[in-house]
Amino acid sequence: DQQVKQNSPSLSVQEGRISILNCDYTNSMFDYFLWYKKYPAEGPTFLISISSIKDKNEDGRFTVFLNKSAKHLSLHIVPSQPGDSAVYFCAARARGAGSYQLTFGKGTKLSVIP
Amino acid sequence: AAGVIQSPRHLIKEKRETATLKCYPIPRHDTVYWYQQGPGQDPQFLISFYEKMQSDKGSIPDRFSAQQFSDYHSELNMSSLELGDSALYFCASSFTSPNYGYTFGSGTRLTVV
Repeated sequence: DQQVKQNSPSLSVQEGRISILNCDYTNSMFDYFLWYKKYPAEGPTFLISISSIKDKNEDGRFTVFLNKSAKHLSLHIVPSQPGDSAVYFCAARARGAGSYQLTFGKGTKLSVIP
Repeated sequence: AAGVIQSPRHLIKEKRETATLKCYPIPRHDTVYWYQQGPGQDPQFLISFYEKMQSDKGSIPDRFSAQQFSDYHSELNMSSLELGDSALYFCASSFTSPNYGYTFGSGTRLTVV
C-alpha cells in the first residue's frame, strides 16, 4: 500500500518555464512533508519542506504547496533550469516509536530541455 | 561542510555471503537511519538509531542487523545475501527533530551475484 504517491514517473519541461511536480498521500498522521532531489549514483539531497500547519513554503525558485483537505502537495520550480533535471522524491514524515521515519514516493524524473 | 560518509561506495558479493556497510553521520547528529532503494523503487526505511540505541525498525529482513557505536557511526550487517538484496543502501543522519530534513549519504551500491 503506497502511502505517498507520485503518479507521474516523468515530466519534461522547457527551460525557463514552470515545472510542477505532484504528490498525494493517504496517511493523516504525516506531519511534515519534504522534497528531495536525486542525481544518479548520489544520495537524495534535501530541497524544501513544509509543515502540515502551513499551506505554502517558498525558497528561491522552489515553492511547495500543501492542500491538507485533498492530501495533496506540489512542488513548483520557476524558472526551470537544465541543472534541475533529476529525480524528485516526495517524502512524508511520521513519528515512529523513537524517531522520525520518512515514507517516500516513487519519484518523478524531471527533464528540463534547453 | 562535513556530510554523511558511507563506505564502501560499491560492493559486489556472492549469494550467501556477508556484507557490512558503514555510515559516518554528520558530527553532533544523534540519529542515524538506513534506507534501501531497489532498482526503480522508492527508498524504503530499514532501521534507525538514536543515541546508540535502536529507535525504530522498518522493513528490515531478519538476516540484516545494525548497530550504532560510541562514536555514532553505524554499521549495517547483511548475512546470507540473496540476489534480491542488490540495491542502493542509503544512510542518513539528523538531530532528533529533523525539521530541515535528513542529510543523506551518497549510498552504497550492493550487487549480489
